[in-house]
Amino acid sequence: DGGITQSPKYLFRKEGQNVTLSCEQNLNHDAMYWYRQDPGQGLRLIYYSQIVNDFQKGDIAEGYSVSREKKESFPLTVTSAQKNPTAFYLCASSLIQGNTEAFFGQGTRLTVV
Amino acid sequence: AQSVSQHNHHVILSEAASLELGCNYSYGGTVNLFWYVQYPGQHLQLLLKYFSGDPLVKGIKGFEAEFIKSKFSFNLRKPSVQWSDTAEYFCAARSSNTGKLIFGQGTTLQVKP
Repeated sequence: DGGITQSPKYLFRKEGQNVTLSCEQNLNHDAMYWYRQDPGQGLRLIYYSQIVNDFQKGDIAEGYSVSREKKESFPLTVTSAQKNPTAFYLCASSLIQGNTEAFFGQGTRLTVV
Repeated sequence: AQSVSQHNHHVILSEAASLELGCNYSYGGTVNLFWYVQYPGQHLQLLLKYFSGDPLVKGIKGFEAEFIKSKFSFNLRKPSVQWSDTAEYFCAARSSNTGKLIFGQGTTLQVKP
């Protein structure tokens, strides 16, 4: 099946630990995105990447890091510097050319205790 | 700064009522516009999109949206809502130059049977 896979669906971590969220796509999309979804705040852009080995900060990049070593993979690390990491994280991908939309994964709910 | 603003945060309607959800964007250059829907417990899915051409765009499930460039708006409409339209609705804008895709705060629609 073609699509975007985020794993795991639920993740628990202790405060002060870094944690990496996985996002893989087999749609051959160039662009990938990470968002954080909190009630009443919509989706806020953390990082995005249009091409391998290149990425840009979104609106709330502080406390997060990413890498784009392969076209199909865009892992997000939530570092201990992120003050309020408990949230629902969504990954998306899209083509750059053509009139196409972004497709979303099922999300990862991260709880930091 | 680039932004997307949705005016209504929570809308309650009775079945068969008409719906209009407001969306304004602030973006330099050419922009692509989207409306996504998130049904309870499900992932985000596309309702409709605008890239160019006819400013009145028709989407799935009877939804439509009108792009008004002079007002920087892309409002979502449906003539007659159903109980199954209960969901959260997100407006989004993507810069065709940078690929940056950002979302509004979302509107929760509750349709009473």
